[in-house]
Amino acid sequence: QMQLVQSGAEVKKTGSSVKVSCKASGYTFTYRFLHWVRQAPGQAPEWMGCIAPFNGDTNSAQKFQDRVTITWDRSVNAVYMELSSLTSEDTAMYFCARSSLSGFLRSPFDIWGQGTMVTVSS
Amino acid sequence: QSVLTQPPSASGTPGQRVTISCSGSSSNIGTNTVNWYQQLPGTAPKLLIHSNNQRPSGVPDRFSASKSGTSASLAISGLQSEDEAGYYCAAWDDTLYGFVFGTGTKVTVL
Repeated sequence: QMQLVQSGAEVKKTGSSVKVSCKASGYTFTYRFLHWVRQAPGQAPEWMGCIAPFNGDTNSAQKFQDRVTITWDRSVNAVYMELSSLTSEDTAMYFCARSSLSGFLRSPFDIWGQGTMVTVSS
Repeated sequence: QSVLTQPPSASGTPGQRVTISCSGSSSNIGTNTVNWYQQLPGTAPKLLIHSNNQRPSGVPDRFSASKSGTSASLAISGLQSEDEAGYYCAAWDDTLYGFVFGTGTKVTVL
C-alpha cells in the first residue's frame, strides 16, 4: 500500500524552528518528487516547495525561500521540511504529497500524508 | 494568497448538477494543465481530476471538468451527500515557478 506517514503535531514558540518528517512506503521512493503544502485554518492550500529524491534538488516558493529547508534521507525513504523564524501566521496543517508521474515536477499530487499540525504561539 | 480565483460556495439538492469555476492567468491555467482536489472535513486533499479533464481510477464519472483559455470548471452531476466538501483547483505557474491553488469552493448539499 503506497502511503506517506508524517510526524506528529508540534507546538512552537515564536521565532523558533520546526522540522516535520514524511516517510514513504509501498513504492520506489527515489522516482517521484515530494512536495510540501500547508493549509492555514479555513484557508486554501499553499505550495511551499519540493525535493527530487533521485538527486536531492530542491525548489521552494519565493515566499518561503529564506526560511524553508527541504532535505531527504534515502536510507529510510523520508523527506523533511524545516521552517525557521516561526510566527503565528505559520500556524497551519502541513502536508507532504507525492508527484503522480516519475521525474516530472509539474505532475499533480496523487498521494498525500495525513498532515502535521504546527501551532505557533508566543 | 491564492492566485486562482473560485467562488467561495456552491450548493444544490441531491441529484442536481453543480459547477465550480476557476479563474487564472496566462502564466498558470493559460499555459499548464489544471488539476482539481476534493477535501473532506478533517482530511488531506484528494486528487479528483488531473490534466484538465482526466479522472483518476476510482473517481466516479459524476465528476467532470474542462478548461478554456485562462479558466477552468468542475462539474458535479447527480449531487450526493458525500460530495459535501471543499474543492480546489491547482496549476503550475511559470512566472512563480511553483504550484498555485485556487481560493477554494465549499459545496453544500441541501
